[in-house]
Parts: sequence; C-alpha cells; structure tokens
Amino acid sequence: DAGVTQSPTHLIKTRGQQVTLRCSPKSGHDTVSWYQQALGQGPQFIFQYYEEEERQRGNFPDRFSGHQFPNYSSELNVNALLLGDSALYLCASIKSNLATNEKLFFGSGTQLSVL
Amino acid sequence: GNSVTQMEGPVTLSEEAFLTINCTYTATGYPSLFWYVQYPGEGLQLLLKATKADDKGSNKGFEATYRKETTSFHLEKGSVQVSDSAVYFCALSAGVWAGSYQLTFGKGTKLSVIP
Repeated sequence: DAGVTQSPTHLIKTRGQQVTLRCSPKSGHDTVSWYQQALGQGPQFIFQYYEEEERQRGNFPDRFSGHQFPNYSSELNVNALLLGDSALYLCASIKSNLATNEKLFFGSGTQLSVL
Repeated sequence: GNSVTQMEGPVTLSEEAFLTINCTYTATGYPSLFWYVQYPGEGLQLLLKATKADDKGSNKGFEATYRKETTSFHLEKGSVQVSDSAVYFCALSAGVWAGSYQLTFGKGTKLSVIP
C-alpha cells in the first residue's frame, strides 16, 4: 500500500514564475492538507481540502491556491514566486472521521528552490 | 492564536543517555498534542500523541505526558540509540471536528546520538 506520494521531489524556479506541486493521498484517505516547511523551521499549515473544496486556510497569501480532484489527489499552485517561497512543501492525508484515533500521513515533500 | 514552543537544538547525546526535549504550548480549548519525527530525506512520522489532560502517549520507548496545568508535553526516552537521530517536532491540533486536522508545529529539535 503506497503512502502519500508527492511529485516532483525537487524543483527549481525563478522569481515571478508559477509552480504546480502534486500529491496523491494514501489509499482510503479523502482529506488532503498542504504545509510549507522553511529551512530550520517547523511546517506551517497552508490549507486543507475535503470533498474538492478548501475547508481551512492558514495565513498564506492568495498567491497560494489549490485543488482537489474527484480521486482525492490534490495540487498546490503558487503564482508570482518569491525568493521566500523556497521551502519543502509537504502534503498530508487522512480519512476524515470524527474519531480521534485517525492520524495524518505525510509525504516526503517537494523541495522548491526559487532563484 | 495557537503556538508551540520547543527546546532549540541541536542536541547531541551519547548512546544510552537519557533524553528530554521540552515542549510548551498556547491554545484555546482542549487541544490534542503530538510528537512527530523526521528522518533525513523522509516525511514526518507520528511518534506519539495524547488527546486529553494527564494522558501519556508512548511509542518505541518514547513517552510524553499531557500536562494541562503547565501547558507542557515534554518528550522523554530513557536510553537513546544511534537510530533515534532525527528532527523531533512537537505539534498541537485545536481539536478534531468534521474536516479539521490543522496542526501547529514547533520549530523542531535536531537530535544526534553518537556511539
């Protein structure tokens, strides 16, 4: 059973460009979240998708947008890239459930470098 | 807002030494508390969790107790191994409700265990 898979693993872009990162959740999971992890920092919540809608959003500008597809996979889009957007972008998935014994599974991330 | 403060690293210990990584939090309501571990080149893995006051989470010899009176969730292990070398993140979730699994992370503590 594959876990959370992200692509690509590494990406280099220049300032002002746009980028799309992709995530396939763990089998059976229907909720996908995205996190930004700057070097030496903890991950910061960007947003969460469930039933193809953005359900929660962290403190990130509108340049960050996303999408969830009917098969639960997700994309993260960042427009007008800034140097400060260089980070490891993590995708996490979970089976949406009111029980507290569910846990988030994280992918290995996409390392984005903006030059 | 919610926040997590954890002991800054790096921490270097000899094999079989005792480990403590301090974590304190600020949150409204009754958050769930987590410790995640990140090995080099890998995604975050849940190490242990506690969902209410006085709960003790434990896994692989690691333990942490949810202390509401001191708003703390310190990670401990009695005898560390070289294989425990990784970055450890303390995190909280404001609570599991329909569709919400947003985590707030600390900055991480890098642990290196030397033979």
